Amino acid sequence: EADIYQTPRYLVIGTGKKITLECSQTMGHDKMYWYQQDPGMELHLIHYSYGVNSTEKGDLSSESTVSRIRTEHFPLTLESARPSHTSQYLCASSPVLGELFFGEGSRLTVL
Amino acid sequence: DQQVKQNSPSLSVQEGRISILNCDYTNSMFDYFLWYKKYPAEGPTFLISISSIKDKNEDGRFTVFLNKSAKHLSLHIVPSQPGDSAVYFCAASVEGDDMRFGAGTRLTVKP
Repeated sequence: EADIYQTPRYLVIGTGKKITLECSQTMGHDKMYWYQQDPGMELHLIHYSYGVNSTEKGDLSSESTVSRIRTEHFPLTLESARPSHTSQYLCASSPVLGELFFGEGSRLTVL
Repeated sequence: DQQVKQNSPSLSVQEGRISILNCDYTNSMFDYFLWYKKYPAEGPTFLISISSIKDKNEDGRFTVFLNKSAKHLSLHIVPSQPGDSAVYFCAASVEGDDMRFGAGTRLTVKP
């Protein structure tokens, strides 16, 4: 059973606010990922990490930033949210070789 | 550049019948393929996978077929049940890295 948690599940904020989406996993996985998904569209990789102090940008250009100070924690931060950031954000982790385990997602709405 | 394509956004089948979900890919380097299932307001959950050394993998009611020459993947669900109604995502990766997802197919199984 996957143990990966995302908070908040739902967030509605105003333009210009700073937000952090939290993601934690208890499986000891080195690899962690952030995907962005809009309805009817594929999941787009926006950030990934292969371990502590490792962070890389994914395919989809994103104004968000991430950090990986601890193995279990991979937060995503938007310094100044805009309506174009409205989307679902999915965090995932994986062992070295294998499937991704996803959290339940954080649905962000920026007004 | 969408490397994994699911050309049918939706599929509707009768309970007890077979559901066939299709997926095409363009990158011949992909060697690991997965199917995920997603319910509304939840993250995707892993369903079944297949490596490129096989052409079929079966797990209960779910079977994945891989045709490498056609760069085509399919998921068969037999018999389909109403609880199978969800969005199904096809994914592909190279040695477990850089996983790419399709846009998903919404399956509805009618009682």
